[in-house]
Amino acid sequence: LAKTTQPISMDSYEGQEVNITCSHNNIATNDYITWYQQFPSQGPRFIIQGYKTKVTNEVASLFIPADRKSSTLSLPRVSLSDTAVYYCLVGFNQGGKLIFGQGTELSVKP
Amino acid sequence: DTAVSQTPKYLVTQMGNDKSIKCEQNLGHDTMYWYKQDSKKFLKIMFSYNNKELIINETVPNRFSPKSPDKAHLNLHINSLELGDSAVYFCASSQDWGPSLEQFFGPGTRLTVL
Repeated sequence: LAKTTQPISMDSYEGQEVNITCSHNNIATNDYITWYQQFPSQGPRFIIQGYKTKVTNEVASLFIPADRKSSTLSLPRVSLSDTAVYYCLVGFNQGGKLIFGQGTELSVKP
Repeated sequence: DTAVSQTPKYLVTQMGNDKSIKCEQNLGHDTMYWYKQDSKKFLKIMFSYNNKELIINETVPNRFSPKSPDKAHLNLHINSLELGDSAVYFCASSQDWGPSLEQFFGPGTRLTVL
């Protein structure tokens, strides 16, 4: 059974680096990992996507180890405006399943 | 110039009623989705359409029926509403069908069944 697991909540302070890990033990060779950010009363918004090793864009980095059974979203130097819920999504090519993790509620404090 | 829009934003109704939620995207995408987000913020896909053809139909009660009149619209009709249907429903779209494609979400419709 395809499953995607991540911590329910995390706390951080402004200026710190935050790492959120997602477990996806059943991931297969051609499956992609995508992270979304959701603010209250809004729809999720794409942050970053990866397949293997490391991907970096202007807002985050995504680290994927060789076995690909987990992935880590890294937010450098968070600010108060990064307080949101972060979702890991694995797109399983076999069967076309789209499985979201339960979301990690990140709280950034001054 | 909203990319993915949903109406209404809020919907309060009584048990047993029938209601519809509309979704439109102006991105020229071929694929659209419906998701349900429960009170614990868990996001679960319900349906996906590609070029007006049903692609994903997860284990959803048959009281829920999606309808895609054209590629830019995917509406969700719910019959005989139950208390457990209370949730936020999100519409999304992507350029094409594929588990690796970026999805663009609408603002959500908060459904409350009394």
